[in-house]
Amino acid sequence: GENVEQHPSTLSVQEGDSAVIKCTYSDSASNYFPWYKQELGKRPQLIIDIRSNVGEKKDQRIAVTLNKTAKHFSLHITETQPEDSAVYFCAATPRGTNFGNEKLTFGTGTRLTIIP
Amino acid sequence: EPEVTQTPSHQVTQMGQEVILRCVPISNHLYFYWYRQILGQKVEFLVSFYNNEISEKSEIFDDQFSVERPDGSNFTLKIRSTKLEDSAMYFCASSEGLAGSYNEQFFGPGTRLTVL
Repeated sequence: GENVEQHPSTLSVQEGDSAVIKCTYSDSASNYFPWYKQELGKRPQLIIDIRSNVGEKKDQRIAVTLNKTAKHFSLHITETQPEDSAVYFCAATPRGTNFGNEKLTFGTGTRLTIIP
Repeated sequence: EPEVTQTPSHQVTQMGQEVILRCVPISNHLYFYWYRQILGQKVEFLVSFYNNEISEKSEIFDDQFSVERPDGSNFTLKIRSTKLEDSAMYFCASSEGLAGSYNEQFFGPGTRLTVL
């Protein structure tokens, strides 16, 4: 089955600087890679996603890059703000023969702390 | 905006007891999921459910676990005889199931299960 590795496990960044979180996956069939943000005690919420036919996607201060050959993808947050502090999870999923049967395999999470 | 809801928010039970965790998926969604997150660890897939049957389950989802959609709105996870290691946050998720594309999974707020 799919295995997703995520680094670093913790990351502290000065407010205004950039943060980068990296993930690798093992299953070459995986073709959808969402990123979730989880604030303390709250539900995971999708912040950005990328499909395997795209190398990069950007949404305001957040961007994700995908390298299918190397099987890794990264989250980039620029101009970080205190409200970016949270745990970030990457995930991967293959498209099954029955759409909807698309379990997410999550990475181990990165605790991002923005230092004011 | 519609949200997935879960009850209770916190459940405390004695080892060996049965528990039922309840979820109300978003009303037009067709696919339902249960995930769990042991404290400080990553989110893990348990089971996916479509058209009143399990479409996929993980190794964690053994005979002690079952899922049901007892009516048109609720989706439940039952643990027959709880163990200490079942203590975790349990998240329900749902997705639309639109043909031809990956569908975002929307997560509920979670039920924290504590087994004593």
